[in-house]
Amino acid sequence: SYVLTQPPSVSVAPGKTARITCGGNNIGSKSVHWYQQKPGQAPVLVIYYDSDRPSGIPERFSGSNSGNTATLTISRVEAGDEADYYCQVWDSSSDRWVFGGGTKLTVL
Amino acid sequence: EVQLVESGGGLVQPGGSLRLSCAASGFTFSSYWMSWVRQAPGKGLEWVANIKQDGSEKYYVDSVKGRFTISRDNAKNSLYLQMNSLRAEDTAVYYCARAQITSDAFDIWGQGTMVTVSS
Repeated sequence: SYVLTQPPSVSVAPGKTARITCGGNNIGSKSVHWYQQKPGQAPVLVIYYDSDRPSGIPERFSGSNSGNTATLTISRVEAGDEADYYCQVWDSSSDRWVFGGGTKLTVL
Repeated sequence: EVQLVESGGGLVQPGGSLRLSCAASGFTFSSYWMSWVRQAPGKGLEWVANIKQDGSEKYYVDSVKGRFTISRDNAKNSLYLQMNSLRAEDTAVYYCARAQITSDAFDIWGQGTMVTVSS
């Protein structure tokens, strides 16, 4: 089965750039979606199709995907960006959605 | 307002059954794939099942195959998850989610309903 690997935690100072990776075998051939989840809340879609932003998501959020790694980049990080972030792909070989284990972003 | 509202969660004994519901409003429910996603306490997201617009295709994560059944009633704008033979490891918050038409990303989520399997 397809596995997505994320670092458990990433820390960044306010105003700096955070990069959260999502590793998977040839993930560059798949479409990756990213979700933000704050404590006690439902997830929110922040990036779809590797790099597209839904309406209402700040331009500070961007994404890329190539080879075996997809990356969510958050520029000019703010305290309000502190949350768990999950990547997601559709595994067509097993007909199932797969989520990464999640990354806790801490704003120092 | 586009909205999904789950209900039906609660405390159930191991081996028991529960039926979750998800009421959709503010959009044409019958035009979208729908999914159930769960999150065990302190853990990450796990996709559980999804269903095509007309109910003709359904997919499940291996751990619930044969025990859970996803269904929908487009006339009632509702999504369901029938859960049988429940286990302690099924304890989680269960979310329903709408799949975006263009990308299949989950663009709308409900607030979740808690299912606790315990004796």
